[in-house]
Amino acid sequence: DVKVTQSSRYLVKRTGEKVFLECVQDMDHENMFWYRQDPGLGLRLIYFSYDVKMKEKGDIPEGYSVSREKKERFSLILESASTNQTSMYLCASSPGGSGGLRTIYFGEGSWLTVV
Amino acid sequence: AQSVTQLDSQVPVFEEAPVELRCNYSSSVSVYLFWYVQYPNQGLQLLLKYLSGSTLVKGINGFEAEFNKSQTSFHLRKPSVHISDTAEYFCAVSHILTGGGNKLTFGTGTQLKVEL
Repeated sequence: DVKVTQSSRYLVKRTGEKVFLECVQDMDHENMFWYRQDPGLGLRLIYFSYDVKMKEKGDIPEGYSVSREKKERFSLILESASTNQTSMYLCASSPGGSGGLRTIYFGEGSWLTVV
Repeated sequence: AQSVTQLDSQVPVFEEAPVELRCNYSSSVSVYLFWYVQYPNQGLQLLLKYLSGSTLVKGINGFEAEFNKSQTSFHLRKPSVHISDTAEYFCAVSHILTGGGNKLTFGTGTQLKVEL
């Protein structure tokens, strides 16, 4: 089975801290994504990557950056955490090409609270 | 640009009653359509997807959805709900990006609350 693993399930960080959310997939997928989920807003795409060292902004990239040094790992970085970044963060991966349109796999999510 | 609209933020329904959760999308190209379910404190689970072929798609847990291209809709239905169906349901559309790769765009979700 495809597995997308998010390293931390629950985190509490202080305002201004640098925060790293790590995501690893084990299926050699080209595409990886970071979403945030908020009540009433659904899932919104923050950043995505369709190749190693490639990154593209999603719909709400402000306040975030990403890193993809290896194909299996996609990190989301909050350079200076703020309380409005308190949210659930979901990582996902999918194959490249048309296969990626058909199937996307999600991690369990990371609940981040910024105090 | 592609978008997904779920008009109902909450849908209360009694157990064993039928339910329909509405989803409309906008897209200038062919898309794939999905429904996901999220139970409390859990991740997303794929309910069903439309890729091509028959417009009536059957999924897990007795759910089905019908793709209607002329109305750009992909409504989710279940003929008789159970208390365990209480969850949030997300409609999503998958499309190719101009720079390569692809992404999934989600609706804002519909909270289904099944009551006794």
